[in-house]
Amino acid sequence: VQLVESGGGLAPPGGSLRLSCAVFGFTLETFEMNWVRQASGKGLEWISHITPSGATVKYADSVRGRFTVSKDNAKNILSLEMNDLRVEDSAHYFCVRGSARDGYNLDYWGQGALVTVSS
Amino acid sequence: DIQMTQSPASLSASVGDTVTISCRASRSIGNYLNWFQQKPGKAPTLLIYVASTLIRGVPSRFSGSGSGTDFTLTINNLQPEDFATYFCQQSYSTPTFGVGTTVDIK
Repeated sequence: VQLVESGGGLAPPGGSLRLSCAVFGFTLETFEMNWVRQASGKGLEWISHITPSGATVKYADSVRGRFTVSKDNAKNILSLEMNDLRVEDSAHYFCVRGSARDGYNLDYWGQGALVTVSS
Repeated sequence: DIQMTQSPASLSASVGDTVTISCRASRSIGNYLNWFQQKPGKAPTLLIYVASTLIRGVPSRFSGSGSGTDFTLTINNLQPEDFATYFCQQSYSTPTFGVGTTVDIK
């Protein structure tokens, strides 16, 4: 099992970025997926969840209405579209698999993509 | 949201020591409690799920206990590779994490 994020970088406040997460060793049509972020030197914050079919998505209050999670099951790629970025969105963003028994049991993590929001 | 109160925020210990980290949920979460280890510059790794079940390959010196609102992670015979930050996380509802406990060398 491997998860590889890409697409991080620098964006101005109010700007947009799109993160991608390519997964290997399992299929997105079988597992629930999550995004978790961690500001530098800080704790962990869950921000989004998507079911295997993609029919149900959930967001933390801090990103709802600005971030959109989606996935391409055929390509095994999970995405996070981030709009109206704020300085407080600066963090490492981790793509995380939910285990087979519990979608919020976070069993495999990507290496993280760094997002910096600054003018 | 369910709040997770983790303590202590940091502790200093020596190789061979036993350390205990506590995590309290703001309401009952059954046994939906997971523990992670994170080393600097790395992603967290899952150590224990459903409060007390070790992930395959995690040394038996790690153990977890508790149910309801109060949980504990214990590391017996602390080894050099165990110096890291540990987080608890509830999976009873949308995930929330403890603030983390940094275990460093005394």
